Amino acid sequence: DVKVTQSSRYLVKRTGEKVFLECVQDMDHENMFWYRQDPGLGLRLIYFSYDVKMKEKGDIPEGYSVSREKKERFSLILESASTNQTSMYLCASGARQFFSGNTIYFGEGSWLTVV
Amino acid sequence: TQLLEQSPQFLSIQEGENLTVYCNSSSVFSSLQWYRQEPGEGPVLLVTVVTGGEVKKLKRLTFQFGDARKDSSLHITAAQPGDTGLYLCARVSPPIRNAGNMLTFGGGTRLMVKP
Repeated sequence: DVKVTQSSRYLVKRTGEKVFLECVQDMDHENMFWYRQDPGLGLRLIYFSYDVKMKEKGDIPEGYSVSREKKERFSLILESASTNQTSMYLCASGARQFFSGNTIYFGEGSWLTVV
Repeated sequence: TQLLEQSPQFLSIQEGENLTVYCNSSSVFSSLQWYRQEPGEGPVLLVTVVTGGEVKKLKRLTFQFGDARKDSSLHITAAQPGDTGLYLCARVSPPIRNAGNMLTFGGGTRLMVKP
C-alpha cells in the first residue's frame, strides 16, 4: 500500500514562529504536493515539486516556502506563522502523469493552530 | 473564486434516502475525479471520468460526466451512515511544464447520513 506520512497531526504554534511540516512518501513518486484545506474552500494548492530541488508555486504560495532535498521527502515551511494560517495541511504524492484510474495519494493531514 | 463549484455545500439526510451532488465549471475538463474524505483522513479516490456523457457505477454510487465535459454529478442510492463524509470533485489539468498533470479541487459537499 502507498504510504504518505505527515510527521505531525496536531500542532499549536505562536504568531511569528517558524513552522516545519514534514511529509514522506514510500512509492518513489516524482510529484509531491502541499494543499491547505479550509471549510467551504476545498483543497487549495500551496506548492508542488516534480523532482528533487524543483518546485513550483500553486494557487496560494504567499507566506509559505518548501524544500525537497530527497525524492521521498517534501517539507512545508511557514517562515513566520500568522493566525490566518490556522488550517489543515495535506501532503500528497503521485506519479508524474495521470491517466484514468491514477490518482494522487494523500497523507492524513496536519492540523495547525496559530495563536 | 472556485474554478469548480460544488453544490450543495452541506447535505443532511436520513438513511435510505437518495441524493445527488453536483460539480460545475465554466470551462471544459480533460477529465475529472471524485474523492471522498472521512474525518481525520486524507481524500481517497472514488472514480475518474474521462469521456463526455460517461456514466460509472461504484456499488450504490453513480457518477456522470456531462456531455460537454463541464459538469459532473454523483448520485447515491439508499444512502447509509457509512457514506457520511466530504465529497470532492477535482479537475485534472493538462501537464504543466515538467510537472505532469495537476488537480484543482472544488469546495466539496459535506454529507451526513443519519441512522
